[in-house]
Amino acid sequence: DAGVTQSPTHLIKTRGQQVTLRCSPKSGHDTVSWYQQALGQGPQFIFQYYEEEERQRGNFPDRFSGHQFPNYSSELNVNALLLGDSALYLCASSEGQGSYGYTFGSGTRLTVV
Amino acid sequence: GQQVMQIPQYQHVQEGEDFTTYCNSSTTLSNIQWYKQRPGGHPVFLIQLVKSGEVKKQKRLTFQFGEAKKNSSLHITATQTTDVGTYFCARIGNFNKFYFGSGTKLNVKP
Repeated sequence: DAGVTQSPTHLIKTRGQQVTLRCSPKSGHDTVSWYQQALGQGPQFIFQYYEEEERQRGNFPDRFSGHQFPNYSSELNVNALLLGDSALYLCASSEGQGSYGYTFGSGTRLTVV
Repeated sequence: GQQVMQIPQYQHVQEGEDFTTYCNSSTTLSNIQWYKQRPGGHPVFLIQLVKSGEVKKQKRLTFQFGEAKKNSSLHITATQTTDVGTYFCARIGNFNKFYFGSGTKLNVKP
């Protein structure tokens, strides 16, 4: 039973570029959430996808967008990258709204230079 | 707001000593979840507490939910080096938005 898989594991981008991160949820999970974790901080909620729609959104600008596919996998897109976007991006999947805990992927370490 | 506050930010203990981290909210929580993140790793779900005054145990770990459902604690008895990591509490807020505390980083000296 595969857990949550994320790709790529590491990425270096230049300021102003665009990036796409990918996530495959744990088998049996239908909800995907994305988090940004800066060094030494707790994960910050970006948004959540369920039934291919963005259901909830945290305090992130429109430069952050996403998508969920019919197989429940998801993408996170960030446009016009800023140096401050450098962080670990975590994908978490759950059954429904996460009332029974989230399963996190290993994350994508994004560095913007 | 809907954030949860965690204290302490850091804790250094000698192996065998006990450790406790606290999670506090200004508003009543419908539930609280606890996660552990090893250095360089990702958060791993430990437990969820739902009921007022609830106490749950996992081996050396004891989780408690306050009577008023505004605070929670995680206590580790006789720490081991494998307990090293950052412990986060998290809540599901309004409209099912998920909020993590800032975490307590535990270092255990052998």
